[in-house]
Amino acid sequence: QSALTQPASVSGSPGQSITISCTGTSSDVGAYNYVSWYQQHPGKAPKLMIYDVSNRPSGVSIRFSGSKSGNTASLTISGLQAEDEADYYCISYTTSVTPYVFGTGTKVTVL
Amino acid sequence: EVQLVESGGDLAQPGRSLRLSCAASGFTFDDYAMHWVRQVPEKGLEWVSGLSWNGVSKGYADSVKGRFTISRDNAKNSLYLQMNSLRAEDTALYYCAKSGRRSGSYTGNYIDSWGQGTLVTVSS
Repeated sequence: QSALTQPASVSGSPGQSITISCTGTSSDVGAYNYVSWYQQHPGKAPKLMIYDVSNRPSGVSIRFSGSKSGNTASLTISGLQAEDEADYYCISYTTSVTPYVFGTGTKVTVL
Repeated sequence: EVQLVESGGDLAQPGRSLRLSCAASGFTFDDYAMHWVRQVPEKGLEWVSGLSWNGVSKGYADSVKGRFTISRDNAKNSLYLQMNSLRAEDTALYYCAKSGRRSGSYTGNYIDSWGQGTLVTVSS
């Protein structure tokens, strides 16, 4: 089972919007609406930002939103802020023997 | 507040064993499936194993199948990972993680809480 593909890095200026893609296959991202997104600051545990493709947990800023089209899921951060600078990972449930697969991770830089 | 505290990480020689523990609090432990996820320092995340609320249904990553065993003790609000035949590539920070959906199943679920991790280093 290969990792889901994410861009290694994405950057934007404060106030801008950025989108991080998470590309899988018809056996994972395309098969289920079980895609989640996590934010991880250096030295910290991951934090849930989006679950089930587009649901935002309570306490997570409305600036974070998720979507999916075919085999690609996306996380959009609107109104980029300095505190959004972190690594972001997607994960999807899969039909394979290993039931979950993470994305390769994306480093978000706020310019 | 959900709290997950891992322990048991250590330096181990290749081929040896380690047992990780996770003490859970702040939620009804036996309502939720649990997971182990690992991360090589400065690298990405890898899902390792998941376990249903009652310990009956479990799953593993291909990379650890046959070597690692996940279990839980609901009376002690604890999750475990028995790691046998350790390899250098098992070196990582191991996170205990709680499922978000109260379905009790680790499949078709998501992770909503993480511990701070315990470091396992496999080296001779």
